[in-house]
Amino acid sequence: AQTVTQSQPEMSVQEAETVTLSCTYDTSESDYYLFWYKQPPSRQMILVIRQEAYKQQNATENRFSVNFQKAAKSFSLKISDSQLGDAAMYFCAYRSGTGGGADGLTFGKGTHLIIQP
Amino acid sequence: GAGVSQSPSNKVTEKGKDVELRCDPISGHTALYWYRQSLGQGLEFLIYFQGNSAPDKSGLPSDRFSAERTGGSVSTLTIQRTQQEDSAVYLCASSLAVSGGQETQYFGPGTRLLVL
Repeated sequence: AQTVTQSQPEMSVQEAETVTLSCTYDTSESDYYLFWYKQPPSRQMILVIRQEAYKQQNATENRFSVNFQKAAKSFSLKISDSQLGDAAMYFCAYRSGTGGGADGLTFGKGTHLIIQP
Repeated sequence: GAGVSQSPSNKVTEKGKDVELRCDPISGHTALYWYRQSLGQGLEFLIYFQGNSAPDKSGLPSDRFSAERTGGSVSTLTIQRTQQEDSAVYLCASSLAVSGGQETQYFGPGTRLLVL
């Protein structure tokens, strides 16, 4: 079974600065997808960014980018120019590329990101 | 367009009662997922529906849990004889037809269940 580990229960960053959230995963599969989801106090999980394992290029979405190290099974999220609205729980998630979706997403425990004004 | 909706938003019930949680997926999404989010266990995948096909129920926590999806759209998660350990946020997500796991799942706001 796959596992996802987020080793930082909480991170704090000053507004406008850059912060990196860590995620490692364990899998024996070669075909999979990785995601970062954001969950604000409203509870709604919002997709931040996704990465296909077969792509070597790191995904980027505006201020959000990932550092995907497939051999090390590492998938960190970098948030540049942090804004107050970025404050939330961030979850790293894994999904198998096989199995037809029956496995759902496997989530890490989450990192609580605090933005200091 | 409308996102995934869930009802009720919050539910308080007494131990031993049955509860029904509803999920309305995004129009056109044929795949639907249920997850449970609790302090102790984090986010757990419960069950997945693809269209009208029979789901794999092996992820459900116990036989008190059941789920159905009518007409390939709305889904109901039912918990019978609720226990205090069932207290959690139940999240529903939907996506376009699954093809290799790449489809993005869009989540609803969840139902917070409290069993007294």
